[in-house]
Amino acid sequence: GENVEQHPSTLSVQEGDSAVIKCTYSDSASNYFPWYKQELGKGPQLIIDIRSNVGEKKDQRIAVTLNKTAKHFSLHITETQPEDSAVYFCADPMDTGRRALTFGSGTRLQVQP
Amino acid sequence: DGGITQSPKYLFRKEGQNVTLSCEQNLNHDAMYWYRQDPGQGLRLIYYSQIVNDFQKGDIAEGYSVSREKKESFPLTVTSAQKNPTAFYLCASSTLPRNEQYFGPGTRLTVT
Repeated sequence: GENVEQHPSTLSVQEGDSAVIKCTYSDSASNYFPWYKQELGKGPQLIIDIRSNVGEKKDQRIAVTLNKTAKHFSLHITETQPEDSAVYFCADPMDTGRRALTFGSGTRLQVQP
Repeated sequence: DGGITQSPKYLFRKEGQNVTLSCEQNLNHDAMYWYRQDPGQGLRLIYYSQIVNDFQKGDIAEGYSVSREKKESFPLTVTSAQKNPTAFYLCASSTLPRNEQYFGPGTRLTVT
């Protein structure tokens, strides 16, 4: 099974509403949790990340929260806009020795104008 | 896409031919990575390299080969042994030990 589980797989919201995407990881030693946004036909873009020594990080309309006890981290987008429509991926280093990311399966966010 | 370039954007090959995908970065990053993405799916790690002249297999290395002769370059060869080579290929790089990975624009390979 997947080591990084991401939910939901699709999410449709009205413009101006909030969107929340959640990822669950399995390795308690994980210490870095990035979120990527991928637009159609393009490479993923790092939009926000969090390290295990903090519980929340904000950057304008986006925020990431981390719950180490429950082993999950979430992406929060407030005041959504049509240009937020994309596929969002979480990632987890999993094996910090190899320093490579394992990605979630992605969430397709559609913001309805 | 930062300072990572991948070429070409689209590539077409006949079955049985080897093909090499280019990845160059001018970010002075130590590590470089190759991922494969199939339609509607996440990214899977093919190979990665943390230092020149050294690289490690990822989760789906069979049918692929790489080289890292220069810090800024990490070409990927898709060999005829790869059963299902048609996919979107993404190259990334990062500094170490911080693993903030930045991606190139990708190469879409179609093999018929």
